[in-house]
Amino acid sequence: KAGVTQTPRYLIKTRGQQVTLSCSPISGHRSVSWYQQTPGQGLQFLFEYFSETQRNKGNFPGRFSGRQFSNSRSEMNVSTLELGDSALYLCASSFLGTGTLQETQYFGPGTRLLVL
Amino acid sequence: GQQVMQIPQYQHVQEGEDFTTYCNSSTTLSNIQWYKQRPGGHPVFLIQLVKSGEVKKQKRLTFQFGEAKKNSSLHITATQTTDVGTYFCAGPQGNKLVFGAGTILRVKS
Repeated sequence: KAGVTQTPRYLIKTRGQQVTLSCSPISGHRSVSWYQQTPGQGLQFLFEYFSETQRNKGNFPGRFSGRQFSNSRSEMNVSTLELGDSALYLCASSFLGTGTLQETQYFGPGTRLLVL
Repeated sequence: GQQVMQIPQYQHVQEGEDFTTYCNSSTTLSNIQWYKQRPGGHPVFLIQLVKSGEVKKQKRLTFQFGEAKKNSSLHITATQTTDVGTYFCAGPQGNKLVFGAGTILRVKS
């Protein structure tokens, strides 16, 4: 089975711009979660999508949004970029997603975003 | 909300020495997961612990889940250079997975 893929792998943007990142989960997985990883803050949960619906959301401003398509692929969008948005953005997929008994999260390679 | 704390933040060991990272939660966890992230890589799932007092082994790695299900540890015996990376624990908070800040392991050969 192919793993989780993310595009693009690297991105440089300037403040005020917007960016869209894409994630293709493992075939058959219906849940996609997004995380922001920075040296200072570690792995921070952004949101989770399951069957095209946002099921869970972390504590990020409304500039961060996402969506999921019928084929389970997901995109996340960050509008009005700030310097502090520079980070590694990871997506992770699982079959059923988060719940009382957590499933294994399979992470993609990430998109490294640099905001200048 | 629930916090998952990990210590130490960073550990530098000589090859062959043992290494332990500890994870503590402010609330009881239904389960805990451990991940490893190699430098420049992405987190990779290692194991999940569910039962109180559970101990699981993977070759030189030993994982424990505390009796109260509020803490966990990962112990590596006789570290090797291939063990370098950041080790994360993660526990559920409602329907979200909360990660600890991670322990960075460096191994001197």
